[in-house]
Amino acid sequence: GEDVEQSLFLSVREGDSSVINCTYTDSSSTYLYWYKQEPGAGLQLLTYIFSNMDMKQDQRLTVLLNKKDKHLSLRIADTQTGDSAIYFCADEPTSGTYKYIFGTGTRLKVLA
Amino acid sequence: DVKVTQSSRYLVKRTGEKVFLECVQDMDHENMFWYRQDPGLGLRLIYFSYDVKMKEKGDIPEGYSVSREKKERFSLILESASTNQTSMYLCASSTRGLAGELFFGEGSRLTVL
Repeated sequence: GEDVEQSLFLSVREGDSSVINCTYTDSSSTYLYWYKQEPGAGLQLLTYIFSNMDMKQDQRLTVLLNKKDKHLSLRIADTQTGDSAIYFCADEPTSGTYKYIFGTGTRLKVLA
Repeated sequence: DVKVTQSSRYLVKRTGEKVFLECVQDMDHENMFWYRQDPGLGLRLIYFSYDVKMKEKGDIPEGYSVSREKKERFSLILESASTNQTSMYLCASSTRGLAGELFFGEGSRLTVL
């Protein structure tokens, strides 16, 4: 079945860039999503990318999509301690079914 | 400000008890979801509902049921709680559309002893 994979942990120093990676198996997704979960909270949509785009930039966030390799990445520039959270990529393999597949989540720790 | 509210943040129940988890959204969303979050497994869909009284099984529906009698409310029911149902439960809602953003509640952490 469909699968979305992420590494579990990432640690960076404050001010550095963070890159969180995700691979997915499905090839018919219309959108791919990045969600952020802060401690003790639910998930919040961070950004998303339409599947016919290669890149999307939104302030400190850059999303790259490589459809050939089924690879999605989220780059956070100038990472701050407030960026410490769990980041989930998500895929909706069949558009309109609302059956999103979430990755395992990457826990980002930002060191001061 | 849009809101998804889960009635209980923390619950402790005994094996065999019936458990109700309630979720209310104030955004008039058609779709509502129940996910289970476990470390290293991410979020797994238990059930979702696309309209009042309509429901569809997700990936792990066994041991769970749901109820949606009103548009704003979606309940998750554990008929007979078991220890392997100890987890964080997240409710979400969304409206129909091309880029369906999910709005999540803060979660209900259930411990079954």
